[in-house]
Amino acid sequence: ILNVEQSPQSLHVQEGDSTNFTCSFPSSNFYALHWYRWETAKSPEALFVMTLNGDEKKKGRISATLNTKEGYSYLYIKGSQPEDSATYLCAFKFSGYALNFGKGTSLLVTP
Amino acid sequence: EADIYQTPRYLVIGTGKKITLECSQTMGHDKMYWYQQDPGMELHLIHYSYGVNSTEKGDLSSESTVSRIRTEHFPLTLESARPSHTSQYLCASSESGTLNSNQPQHFGDGTRLSIL
Repeated sequence: ILNVEQSPQSLHVQEGDSTNFTCSFPSSNFYALHWYRWETAKSPEALFVMTLNGDEKKKGRISATLNTKEGYSYLYIKGSQPEDSATYLCAFKFSGYALNFGKGTSLLVTP
Repeated sequence: EADIYQTPRYLVIGTGKKITLECSQTMGHDKMYWYQQDPGMELHLIHYSYGVNSTEKGDLSSESTVSRIRTEHFPLTLESARPSHTSQYLCASSESGTLNSNQPQHFGDGTRLSIL
């Protein structure tokens, strides 16, 4: 099991603030990096799958970048809304099947 | 609009009972997975399947077993539940394709299992 580190562990921002969090993973044997959003009492929902160094992906107000050489990915949320409150999970894929998940960043956005 | 279903959502049961956690998906995905998550910890893969009659153990050792007799169905069984099996279990599936295709996983809502 390879370690995937996410920081911060939790974050509390005001509505309208922009925020970002980090996912660190082993830089060797990189295959893919996944981001998921997990709202309370719901199932994890895929946000992005990134495979190439320098990848940048965007979905509405949420975007992500990937640096495979140094082993990190950033997730950005622009103008946070209360509905963005969730746990954001990243998962590192180093082989054909296995996803290694981090513990997640818990985001709370208050009005 | 979940296309992957897990039952039950919650289960509280006594030690020694046989338990089956159900997972079904309607997307025709060949690949299916079971994850276990303890409070405050990461999701860990305990079983996966590439298709009918294919099952493999994941990275985290588990006393549970799985079967894949039909594409859409991937149940997980504990023959004799113990308090150490108390955890959340999530089922997921992903699209077919090559072994190394990078498709996102689609998750069910999970089963919270508590063994007394």
